[in-house]
Amino acid sequence: DIQVTQSPSSLSASVGDRVTITCRSSQNIDNFLNWYQQKPGKAPELLIYGAFTLQSGVPSRFSGSASGTDFTLTISSLQPEDFATYYCQHRWAFGPGTKVDIK
Amino acid sequence: QVHLQESGPGLVKPSETLSLTCIVSGYSITNDYYWAWIRQPPGKGLEWLGSVQHDGTPHHNPPLKSRVTISLDTSKNQFSLKLTSVTAADTAVYYCARDKGGWVQSDWGQGTLVTVTS
Repeated sequence: DIQVTQSPSSLSASVGDRVTITCRSSQNIDNFLNWYQQKPGKAPELLIYGAFTLQSGVPSRFSGSASGTDFTLTISSLQPEDFATYYCQHRWAFGPGTKVDIK
Repeated sequence: QVHLQESGPGLVKPSETLSLTCIVSGYSITNDYYWAWIRQPPGKGLEWLGSVQHDGTPHHNPPLKSRVTISLDTSKNQFSLKLTSVTAADTAVYYCARDKGGWVQSDWGQGTLVTVTS
């Protein structure tokens, strides 16, 4: 059974910072990896699917990359509205989440 | 613009069956896509429960397969979730979502809290 892990579990950052979150799968998943953003009390929102493809309407400061079984979500310049929890997903497996809060 | 809205009881007794409906507007559920249920226990992460294709074919999260039924009601343009033999561990916010394929949930309902309590 494929497992996905995320790191870090939380991070503190300032507006304007470059932020990277990593997801690792236990085996090759052919880039079938999605990223979601969730704010408190709200439903998750799709950011990136297929490891690289930006969902329509998502700001271009978000990007996804992959290297083997390691996947990265990058926020190039953190904005106030980006403070949230981020989840990666492969099929029915979600990562445990990364909470991004204000330094 | 598709809109999804969860509907159902907020309280369920242990050992009973949890039943929720997702009312879809702005898109016909028989046109395309998959229709999914995801849950989130309070303060915890997300768990994908299952989905149903536009033609009615179900897909399950293997550990929950024996307890979960997801089906379409094409006459009302909605789909449903049934989760049997619930326990306190099934207390969660339940979300319905439109899946564009490949387990990509592109559109979500606002979620509904279901509490399992006697």
